[in-house]
Amino acid sequence: EIVMTQSPATLSVSPGERATLSCRASQSVSSNLAWYQQKPGQAPRLLIYGASTRATGIPARFSGSGSGTEFTLTISSLQSEDFAVYYCQQYNNWPPLWTFGQGTKVEIK
Amino acid sequence: EVQLVESGGGLVQPGGSLRLSCAASGFTFSSYWMSWVRQAPGKGLEWVANIKQDGSEKYYVDSVKGRFTISRDNAKNSLYLQMNSLRAEDTAVYYCARNSGSYQVWGQGTLVTVSS
Repeated sequence: EIVMTQSPATLSVSPGERATLSCRASQSVSSNLAWYQQKPGQAPRLLIYGASTRATGIPARFSGSGSGTEFTLTISSLQSEDFAVYYCQQYNNWPPLWTFGQGTKVEIK
Repeated sequence: EVQLVESGGGLVQPGGSLRLSCAASGFTFSSYWMSWVRQAPGKGLEWVANIKQDGSEKYYVDSVKGRFTISRDNAKNSLYLQMNSLRAEDTAVYYCARNSGSYQVWGQGTLVTVSS
């Protein structure tokens, strides 16, 4: 099983500031990495797939980078609606036993 | 509009069974792998099961193997999760999701509570 580890667990950021979230895989997942945003009481929403491709309708302030075992989600200028929990997920291995990270909560500083 | 709508959740006693359903619309259901993902109260996301487009391949997280069965009916654009021998630790919101590696489309979730 590929273990995904996200850091930090909680990130306190002021509106307008940049947020940088990290995700590490226990073995290489190539670029088969996705990021999701989840707000309380809502289903997750796909932000990034293929490590760096924004999903349909996702604002340009969200960007993803990395490959192999180290990945980053950057929110360039935090808006009020961006305070949420963010999860990474790998979909590289076969059979498809795809795993999520434990999440990073982005909260208002 | 692309949509997934889950149903079938509820309160069940330990050892009991429940069948979840997910109705798909707005896309060609038979063209996609589909998945169930769950989230225990206050916890993170956990992938539960995947099923291939024609149902010929199914995969499960170890914790549900032998107890849960994923299935689909492409004629009815529907995904199912039969859950048997339920345990307290299966308590969660269960989401169905359209699967292309990443999960592009999610339902709103259905809550399963296992408690006596």
